[in-house]
Amino acid sequence: GENVEQHPSTLSVQEGDSAVIKCTYSDSASNYFPWYKQELGKGPQLIIDIRSNVGEKKDQRIAVTLNKTAKHFSLHITETQPEDSAVYFCAASKFGNEKLTFGTGTRLTIIP
Amino acid sequence: GAVVSQHPSWVICKSGTSVKIECRSLDFQATTMFWYRQFPKQSLMLMATSNEGSKATYEQGVEKDKFLINHASLTLSTLTVTSAHPEDSSFYICSATLGGYHNQPQHFGDGTRLSIL
Repeated sequence: GENVEQHPSTLSVQEGDSAVIKCTYSDSASNYFPWYKQELGKGPQLIIDIRSNVGEKKDQRIAVTLNKTAKHFSLHITETQPEDSAVYFCAASKFGNEKLTFGTGTRLTIIP
Repeated sequence: GAVVSQHPSWVICKSGTSVKIECRSLDFQATTMFWYRQFPKQSLMLMATSNEGSKATYEQGVEKDKFLINHASLTLSTLTVTSAHPEDSSFYICSATLGGYHNQPQHFGDGTRLSIL
């Protein structure tokens, strides 16, 4: 089955700086790669996703890049703000409506 | 849009009782719902996939008689933890998607924290 690895497990950045979280996956049949933000005591919230026919996608301060050949994808957050502090999970699946395999999570802390 | 509501958000009960958790898609019809379990500071582990009108598909190692899943309508799925014991204490989260050919993403509820005494 699919295996998703995520690094780093914790990340602290100064407010205003950029944060990058990286994931690798094992199943070349995976085509859908979402990123979720989870705040304490809440469920994961979809912040951005990318499908395999696209190499990069951007939504304001958040961007995701995908390298299908190398089987890795990354989340980039620019101009970080205190409210960006949360746990971020990457995931992979064949299609969006099929079961997701999650990475182990990254606890992001923005230092004011 | 794409709001998923989970109820209750928190429940404490005695060992041996059964607990039902509801997952509702409020503004869309969810042909597929998923149930996850999350331990503190860990990732989400898929327990089962639930399609409306059919039996749930359980992941390896998940006891189907322990975790009963019903998806009787396009907006509601329930997870019943039967004869709960302290080791069943966890954070249970559902997600819902339109499914089918629409290839829509999964949207998550806010979870249910279950504590078994």
